[in-house]
Amino acid sequence: QVQLQESGPGLVKPSETLSLTCTVSGGSISGYYWSWIRQPPGKGLEWIAYIYYSGTPNYKYSLKSRLTISVDTSKNQFSLKVSSVTAADTAVYYCARLIQTGSSRYFDYWGQGTLVTVSS
Amino acid sequence: SYELTQPPSVSVSPGQTASITCSGDKLGEKFACWYQQKAGQSPVLVIYQDTKRPSGIPERFSGSNSANTATLTISGTQAMDEADYYCQAWDSSTAAVFGGGTKLTVL
Repeated sequence: QVQLQESGPGLVKPSETLSLTCTVSGGSISGYYWSWIRQPPGKGLEWIAYIYYSGTPNYKYSLKSRLTISVDTSKNQFSLKVSSVTAADTAVYYCARLIQTGSSRYFDYWGQGTLVTVSS
Repeated sequence: SYELTQPPSVSVSPGQTASITCSGDKLGEKFACWYQQKAGQSPVLVIYQDTKRPSGIPERFSGSNSANTATLTISGTQAMDEADYYCQAWDSSTAAVFGGGTKLTVL
């Protein structure tokens, strides 16, 4: 059973960089796509980035200039950095495995989520 | 950018059938999937590729997708099905798109 676990600081100051890591256990990170999805308090889900295990990233267009997603296959981890954060970046951040079969794409395993608050 | 629209809330009596819709331009030409999110928990995939159920998801959950609307149907709804439900599709220009979510209340 694949399990994902997010880690990172729960509080980040405005204008700083938010850094999160997702550790994958129970399976290899190789051969799959991996993604970050966030959910502001009381609101819906928002996909923000995904990456193939070999390293090709894709970002939500409106956030592209502030996002960096990366993979470390030696540690079975992938990471997200969000630069120049504001209060609007306050959210629960989920990591998830993205399955692509033909034109079908869906997230089959999710982490428990980590709340990141942007505040001074 | 591509958008998916869901009703904010749906109510159903225990044992009855609940239907949650998800609308988007030519959605039937894409694959839709559905996630269940109970209060304070992570989303769980309940339907993928329009109609398929992952292992462990009860048979009372089913899906369809045609024209501009995908539908999640829960037959014989139980109290444990009370949750927020999100549809999701993939657009070539927008990548992953989620609907705004529907709160299912089992009265």
